[in-house]
Amino acid sequence: GESVGLHLPTLSVQEGDNSIINCAYSNSASDYFIWYKQESGKGPQFIIDIRSNMDKRQGQRVTVLLNKTVKHLSLQIAATQPGDSAVYFCAEENMEYGNKLVFGAGTILRVKS
Amino acid sequence: DAGITQSPRHKVTETGTPVTLRCHQTENHRYMYWYRQDPGHGLRLIHYSYGVKDTDKGEVSDGYSVSRSKTEDFLLTLESATSSQTSVYFCAISERTWSGTQYFGPGTRLLVL
Repeated sequence: GESVGLHLPTLSVQEGDNSIINCAYSNSASDYFIWYKQESGKGPQFIIDIRSNMDKRQGQRVTVLLNKTVKHLSLQIAATQPGDSAVYFCAEENMEYGNKLVFGAGTILRVKS
Repeated sequence: DAGITQSPRHKVTETGTPVTLRCHQTENHRYMYWYRQDPGHGLRLIHYSYGVKDTDKGEVSDGYSVSRSKTEDFLLTLESATSSQTSVYFCAISERTWSGTQYFGPGTRLLVL
């Protein structure tokens, strides 16, 4: 299997339900955040991004929520489908690292049919 | 993976041998990046390039070198491969610097015996 999936938290949801994937980021000064989706054997795929001057942004079937007070980011997927099964991870633009993107380890989403 | 290819996709090599991975883009993006992905870790930046012949180190650059002689190609060299460099390597590109969305290639799975 895909070695990147080892030791990651797993979220199992029923097809058609909504999914919420959470991410805690490290730097309160981080200004930009991205969610990526990675299917087995593939490279990460951009889903949605948000800047720190917003607390919510919606895309197609996805919504990202940003809570700067507790340094928390969440990705909501509406009407989850089998094709949504993947590893999801967030990234922050972290000033402590020269404004480079710092990536979380990820969460496995499994969709049950 | 649109517009980004990586070669080889899989490679097995022996400790002490040099290895070169190639990233090729057709998007004419200025910025290119090399990451490695390991179990339990997020993507970690090895090196990046902000233009032809302009490169800089990331957080895990020891044992790696890069070159960019053309906009479209970014090469990653493991000067003398070690078992700790067994990983999945991803190339990424972006139009703008860190606050710009990075798009990833399909990855190269490297096994160092």
